[in-house]
Amino acid sequence: AAGVIQSPRHLIKEKRETATLKCYPIPRHDTVYWYQQGPGQDPQFLISFYEKMQSDKGSIPDRFSAQQFSDYHSELNMSSLELGDSALYFCANRKQGSSYEQYFGPGTRLTVT
Amino acid sequence: ILNVEQSPQSLHVQEGDSTNFTCSFPSSNFYALHWYRWETAKSPEALFVMTLNGDEKKKGRISATLNTKEGYSYLYIKGSQPEDSATYLCAFMTGNQFYFGTGTSLTVIP
Repeated sequence: AAGVIQSPRHLIKEKRETATLKCYPIPRHDTVYWYQQGPGQDPQFLISFYEKMQSDKGSIPDRFSAQQFSDYHSELNMSSLELGDSALYFCANRKQGSSYEQYFGPGTRLTVT
Repeated sequence: ILNVEQSPQSLHVQEGDSTNFTCSFPSSNFYALHWYRWETAKSPEALFVMTLNGDEKKKGRISATLNTKEGYSYLYIKGSQPEDSATYLCAFMTGNQFYFGTGTSLTVIP
């Protein structure tokens, strides 16, 4: 069965650079969530989208932005990167109106040097 | 900020032992309670989604119960095996948001 795809899987950037993480959903799953997991920490919710509109906002820094496109894929844009942004970034998909289950992608490991 | 707590933080058991751990969450604005199995460097694997007070779910040797009125869920593993070693995360869902607990790290010693 098709799963959630994230790219790239690994990314190394320098401080003050920008990064774009991509999430490609399971077909027909219209809701996407982004999570950040720092070393040794539990996942923190960043932001979610439903039908290309932002639906909820968590602890996403102002330097980050995200959007969901017409094909339901989503991108997380990160600017002015800081060392503390080094983390594993997961996206997860859910299909509104069906079960509450969300399916996680494999994650993108971002390292800021 | 919602508080979702899991206990114990870590657990070491012998192969064949049964074990259980707890997830505590707010009892208001409850939509669902999710349990995930999470191995290092892998994405969380969904185990159960529980929505109704009194729900009991089972998958193989793993089962879970839910009490939404008092705000807790138990995860049970019967006859633990080394491959059960992982972190078990619960997530409280309210509206369209998920709040994760800190996880219980389980190590099963052969």
